[in-house]
Amino acid sequence: GQNIDQPTEMTATEGAIVQINCTYQTSGFNGLFWYQQHAGEAPTFLSYNVLDGLEEKGRFSSFLSRSKGYSYLLLKELQMKDSASYLCAALNSNYQLIWGAGTKLIIKP
Amino acid sequence: ETGVTQTPRHLVMGMTNKKSLKCEQHLGHNAMYWYKQSAKKPLELMFVYNFKEQTENNSVPSRFSPECPNSSHLFLHLHTLQPEDSALYLCASSQEDGRGGDEQYFGPGTRLTVT
Repeated sequence: GQNIDQPTEMTATEGAIVQINCTYQTSGFNGLFWYQQHAGEAPTFLSYNVLDGLEEKGRFSSFLSRSKGYSYLLLKELQMKDSASYLCAALNSNYQLIWGAGTKLIIKP
Repeated sequence: ETGVTQTPRHLVMGMTNKKSLKCEQHLGHNAMYWYKQSAKKPLELMFVYNFKEQTENNSVPSRFSPECPNSSHLFLHLHTLQPEDSALYLCASSQEDGRGGDEQYFGPGTRLTVT
């Protein structure tokens, strides 16, 4: 079957760094997305990786290892507004998005 | 209005009611999607429309009936729903139907409660 695994919840401190991991098993692979969803709001696009390696976008970076079926989202200099759920989704060979259940990130002062 | 809008934002309906959810995108996109989001579960893709044509129906019960009159508007008609259908219903759009890594733009969702 096709599956995305990511931790249910993580807690981190304001100003710190946090890494949210995601492992995927899909029938074929055409890239991996990360979305951010604040409580009661729409998910918003953060990143898309299709090649191995790290892509940096400001305080957020996303990493992909296709051979390991693994990705992570790295958030630096955490701010209170980063408290949200982070959704990992993999695009399979049929260009269907397989979604994870999301990681709820709690930022403490 | 910009982006993707959804109405109503909240809806409470009985199991015998008929109601409709509306989605409108102002981004000039060609693909639109309906998702169901339940607590602590992955997003469930329900329907995909590309250039007004339905390209995907993920075994959704017939009590959910989509309608896409044009590339900017998407409806989800609801009738004789069950309490387990209570969830957040999200609409999204993208330039194409998800190929090539097109990001999806989501609306704020309709929180549906079936009593």
